[in-house]
Amino acid sequence: GAGVSQSPSNKVTEKGKDVELRCDPISGHTALYWYRQRLGQGLEFLIYFQGNSAPDKSGLPSDRFSAERTGESVSTLTIQRTQQEDSAVYLCASSPAFGTGQYFGPGTRLTVT
Amino acid sequence: GENVEQHPSTLSVQEGDSAVIKCTYSDSASNYFPWYKQELGKRPQLIIDIRSNVGEKKDQRIAVTLNKTAKHFSLHITETQPEDSAVYFCAARLNNAGNMLTFGGGTRLMVKP
Repeated sequence: GAGVSQSPSNKVTEKGKDVELRCDPISGHTALYWYRQRLGQGLEFLIYFQGNSAPDKSGLPSDRFSAERTGESVSTLTIQRTQQEDSAVYLCASSPAFGTGQYFGPGTRLTVT
Repeated sequence: GENVEQHPSTLSVQEGDSAVIKCTYSDSASNYFPWYKQELGKRPQLIIDIRSNVGEKKDQRIAVTLNKTAKHFSLHITETQPEDSAVYFCAARLNNAGNMLTFGGGTRLMVKP
């Protein structure tokens, strides 16, 4: 079946602009996660959606970052007033409610100039 | 919350040798421990996982061991090949945290031909 997909694959934006990143999880996966990965670094947790529960936003680095998810489908991560330090690969992952590990999408490489 | 430490941060081995990567976790309530492999420019891929009710799991050249008493788990790769070169991430899931994972900082494995 189809895996997790993300769009765009690459995004170059000017400092100060807003960007929206999209994630389509694996069908039937109730949980969805966003991570940030700076070049050569580890996975930095941003936000977690589980079904209809309130999302865990504890990893969002500032109020410029927000995310939404419609039911158990698509999610969008929005970064407002982008800064150069926002440049990174943004990875989305999904998983069943309980059970196996998370399955990652290919990521969106964001470059803020 | 959970804290996962991973060592070493880099590991260089000769082709054919074994490689061992170790992780420790802080919360004894963690019950699921996956390992991910991330090749350069690619997404993290789940390669093996272990649950807290078993001590060891093998899949061809890779194996994972878990010591619940000491709160550590390890990835073992035997007969390493150049294509094993990648960054490996361990992770731990708390029993009551849905499917949230806490990741280690990653190990860059280089297999020299």
